[in-house]
Amino acid sequence: NAGVTQTPKFQVLKTGQSMTLQCAQDMNHNSMYWYRQDPGMGLRLIYYSASEGTTDKGEVPNGYNVSRLNKREFSLRLESAAPSQTSVYFCAGNRDNQGNYGYTFGSGTRLTVV
Amino acid sequence: LAKTTQPISMDSYEGQEVNITCSHNNIATNDYITWYQQFPSQGPRFIIQGYKTKVTNEVASLFIPADRKSSTLSLPRVSLSDTAVYYCLVGPWNTGFQKLVFGTGTRLLVSP
Repeated sequence: NAGVTQTPKFQVLKTGQSMTLQCAQDMNHNSMYWYRQDPGMGLRLIYYSASEGTTDKGEVPNGYNVSRLNKREFSLRLESAAPSQTSVYFCAGNRDNQGNYGYTFGSGTRLTVV
Repeated sequence: LAKTTQPISMDSYEGQEVNITCSHNNIATNDYITWYQQFPSQGPRFIIQGYKTKVTNEVASLFIPADRKSSTLSLPRVSLSDTAVYYCLVGPWNTGFQKLVFGTGTRLLVSP
């Protein structure tokens, strides 16, 4: 199905371990985003990529890195996981020139750091 | 982006109409009002967008008064499946790249 695909769906890490969350879209989106959502909270922007080859920090970038591998793929890396990074992570994509309209989100990665 | 204020939670029963109001006193002339819906364990999805007066689609209606300082999302005859978090966002349209900034949203619980 067309859309935004995230892998894995669930992950448990030990403190200090590293991992990469993968995101791929087949909707020809120029911009892509990583959000985190803590229990009972709204989504907070971690990093975004306005176009292929560019990345920039959002509200809560500390402890994360990203790579816009190509137009389709935007990965999020945790170099040394901490319990505070336990959250649900959402990747999203959007076509440009549409403001707040037209965002497509993935189904999320539920990450637990113990 | 204009700051928005909406109720933290609302309760309703099946078959009722639900109205969720969002305040955006500092809305700019070129800002549009957009609502997203998030079901449990899913990412948000776009449901409706408007600039002024009234917009209606198969999911909801959006009412925007003339001063545009608030807006109301109306869900007709809700069902249990409408239990979700609803986010109100305000921002310009057609200006190229746009970061989506979410507040905490309104958590709607529909009971039998």
